[in-house]
Amino acid sequence: GNSVTQMEGPVTLSEEAFLTINCTYTATGYPSLFWYVQYPGEGLQLLLKATKADDKGSNKGFEATYRKETTSFHLEKGSVQVSDSAVYFCALVLNKAAGNKLTFGGGTRVLVKP
Amino acid sequence: EPEVTQTPSHQVTQMGQEVILRCVPISNHLYFYWYRQILGQKVEFLVSFYNNEISEKSEIFDDQFSVERPDGSNFTLKIRSTKLEDSAMYFCASNPSGIYEQYFGPGTRLTVT
Repeated sequence: GNSVTQMEGPVTLSEEAFLTINCTYTATGYPSLFWYVQYPGEGLQLLLKATKADDKGSNKGFEATYRKETTSFHLEKGSVQVSDSAVYFCALVLNKAAGNKLTFGGGTRVLVKP
Repeated sequence: EPEVTQTPSHQVTQMGQEVILRCVPISNHLYFYWYRQILGQKVEFLVSFYNNEISEKSEIFDDQFSVERPDGSNFTLKIRSTKLEDSAMYFCASNPSGIYEQYFGPGTRLTVT
């Protein structure tokens, strides 16, 4: 089946530090990859996406590159802010047919301290 | 910007009671989903819905669960006889075409006592 594995948290950083959250996947077909973010007390928001190999998704200073050779989609940000404190979820969906479900990783809690 | 909305934000119910969780997907979307997240665990797929029927359901989605689109805007999840282990955050999501990203609502926290 399909699965997503991401590094366990919590990850605690100081403001302006570099953030990386590792994500690897296994898929029976050809997936699109996503990072969703969940701020405290809120729902899931799409942060960025990549729909084919070598695509780079980016948003709000975050980036992730779809690496088919290593089945990875690591999330990075060069200088985090306190407002980036949240839980980050890596997810995939197969492109083979419409209506396919999202498969999520376990989530990584990030805490940025001033 | 259009959003998925969910009501209520928090529902407390006693074991064995029926609950209905409500969602209003984005208006031009055609594919609808329910997911749940037990506290501290990963987000799990429950069911997908298209053209007024279930497209796919997970092992979690047993006979106690049902979904319905009773009118042109609402999408509901019913749990007939709640169990303690149904306590979770339930997320509704929608998608215009069935591919790529899904758009999530803010969730309903269900607490079964």
